Amino acid sequence: DTAVSQTPKYLVTQMGNDKSIKCEQNLGHDTMYWYKQDSKKFLKIMFSYNNKELIINETVPNRFSPKSPDKAHLNLHINSLELGDSAVYFCASSQETGSSPLHFGNGTRLTVT
Amino acid sequence: GDSVTQMEGPVTLSEEAFLTINCTYTATGYPSLFWYVQYPGEGLQLLLKATKADDKGSNKGFEATYRKETTSFHLEKGSVQVSDSAVYFCALSEGFQKLVFGTGTRLLVSP
Repeated sequence: DTAVSQTPKYLVTQMGNDKSIKCEQNLGHDTMYWYKQDSKKFLKIMFSYNNKELIINETVPNRFSPKSPDKAHLNLHINSLELGDSAVYFCASSQETGSSPLHFGNGTRLTVT
Repeated sequence: GDSVTQMEGPVTLSEEAFLTINCTYTATGYPSLFWYVQYPGEGLQLLLKATKADDKGSNKGFEATYRKETTSFHLEKGSVQVSDSAVYFCALSEGFQKLVFGTGTRLLVSP
């Protein structure tokens, strides 16, 4: 019955590699997001998609490319990984209205060595 | 731009103590305000929200009132439990579902 699920939970890789994180929601929501949480727990939005269309694209290096094959899925692909990419990445989803809460996945801890 | 400022933690309390976590915001319009909670190893969960001035959000004994005059949304609980130990995030949403989070406040409750 997991509402927002993301895989993998842990990802350890070397600098320069390319990796993907997958996210799926079964809540029927129209909007999905990727957030990055750094080591000090600071959360910052990276991307937002509404019905498969990109809505928010914050100042994120173009090595990060989100892909939404349908409105229930939003994957994150990262090219040429760098040490500074180490963080916890959270997927989330919500209904379209401005005051609707976000439902978060449990996060993917990415460690770049 | 919009921003949220929270008190730095950790906040350390004994069980049954009174909790206040301060949150103030800066926004150009009339945002919705939220408190989210993150338990260890998990994603964030909505704790409560308020969508307009003077609204009070409440859930699981936690309360927060949207104060437009002081641009604040302080979180309170009358009697904390060990199970309330977590990181608490204040957040606002003004645009199209673009949540802006505070830096989080860690709460540690001891028996």
